Amino acid sequence: ENVLTQSPATLSLSPGERATLSCGASQSVSTNYLAWYQQKPGLAPRLLIYDASKRATGIPDRFSGSGSGTDFTLIISRLEPEDFAVYYCQQYGSSPVTFGQGTKLES
Amino acid sequence: EVQLVQSGAEVRKPGESLKISCKTSGYIFTNYWIAWVRQMPGKGLEWMGIINPYDYDTRYNPSVQGLFTISADRSIATAYLQWSSLRASDSAMYYCVRQWSGDYWGQGTRVTVSS
Repeated sequence: ENVLTQSPATLSLSPGERATLSCGASQSVSTNYLAWYQQKPGLAPRLLIYDASKRATGIPDRFSGSGSGTDFTLIISRLEPEDFAVYYCQQYGSSPVTFGQGTKLES
Repeated sequence: EVQLVQSGAEVRKPGESLKISCKTSGYIFTNYWIAWVRQMPGKGLEWMGIINPYDYDTRYNPSVQGLFTISADRSIATAYLQWSSLRASDSAMYYCVRQWSGDYWGQGTRVTVSS
């Protein structure tokens, strides 16, 4: 299976700052089928980015995704208070689908 | 509006069976795969498997331990996750998810297995 490794495990920033989250894959992600999710306590994850760089419906443009092959990045350009949460990357280019272990973004 | 509405929380004893559901609406059920994702308390997300409601093609994650089955009923646009014999290690939150890329998620069903 394609193992995804996220870094850092925890990222401590303040509102207004820029956040850069990384996701590395053990194998090339087919067709760049890589997604990013945000999860807040007690809630289901929410899709932010799919196909590595496409924003999901209703996602603010301060969220952007980039990368290809085995290295992917999620950038939040200017943190808002509601952005502090856990973020997961996921590859769906091969079965089984796999998730990274998550990055906790804290203030 | 696309909705995935899951059945309520369940408490079972080890060895018991269980079937939880995911009722969908707002789109053509047979046009999108439905997956199940497990989240153990305080842990990350694990993909369990996925079903194509059009032809019932089903894929499982061999890395996820457990005696479970994924199924669907096209007539009522509902997907299911069931166990024939639960173990304590099956205690988790379970989410149904539309598509391989997870564009819509159910609210989750908490399953507790305890003697």
